[in-house]
Amino acid sequence: AQSVAQPEDQVNVAEGNPLTVKCTYSVSGNPYLFWYVQYPNRGLQFLLKYITGDNLVKGSYGFEAEFNKSQTSFHLKKPSALVSDSALYFCAVRDSNYQLIWGAGTKLIIKP
Amino acid sequence: NAGVTQTPKFQVLKTGQSMTLQCAQDMNHNSMYWYRQDPGMGLRLIYYSASEGTTDKGEVPNGYNVSRLNKREFSLRLESAAPSQTSVYFCASRGDRKEKLFFGSGTQLSVL
Repeated sequence: AQSVAQPEDQVNVAEGNPLTVKCTYSVSGNPYLFWYVQYPNRGLQFLLKYITGDNLVKGSYGFEAEFNKSQTSFHLKKPSALVSDSALYFCAVRDSNYQLIWGAGTKLIIKP
Repeated sequence: NAGVTQTPKFQVLKTGQSMTLQCAQDMNHNSMYWYRQDPGMGLRLIYYSASEGTTDKGEVPNGYNVSRLNKREFSLRLESAAPSQTSVYFCASRGDRKEKLFFGSGTQLSVL
């Protein structure tokens, strides 16, 4: 079955420290992978995508994600967290019907 | 630059009442989507429309109907609301051969 898992409901990081939000996937064929961010009372915003090419993908707001085919993972990273990065983060993968399957979301809290 | 506009932002219904959620985009996108977001479940696709005049069921279509009125507008109708339809509803659109989704700011619906 095609699926996306975000194993952590919440991640707490101190401002200035590196952050990682985890995502693993299961899909047939080559994966199309995405990260979106949702700020309170707002719709989701696109952060970055992996379709092909370099395993390290750079996106908006200083975020990057590392695609690992052998571990079927697509973890979101940032070298130095900001308080303003606090939000809900969603990983998604495109399925065989060209629709997105979404993870349950990870709440990221950056403490000053 | 409005992007995707949803109305209303909030709505409270009694069980059995009907209502229509409106969505419009000004980016000339062919594809439009309705999702619902429930805590701990990520986003689930209700219906989508690949182009004007076509609609298709997503993962959770029961209890909903949609209309693609024209290229700009895609409405979601609840004919007889049930408490299980209490959720946050998001409309999204996507350009052709583009992977990025653009989301509206959401409608918070409570069915009592």
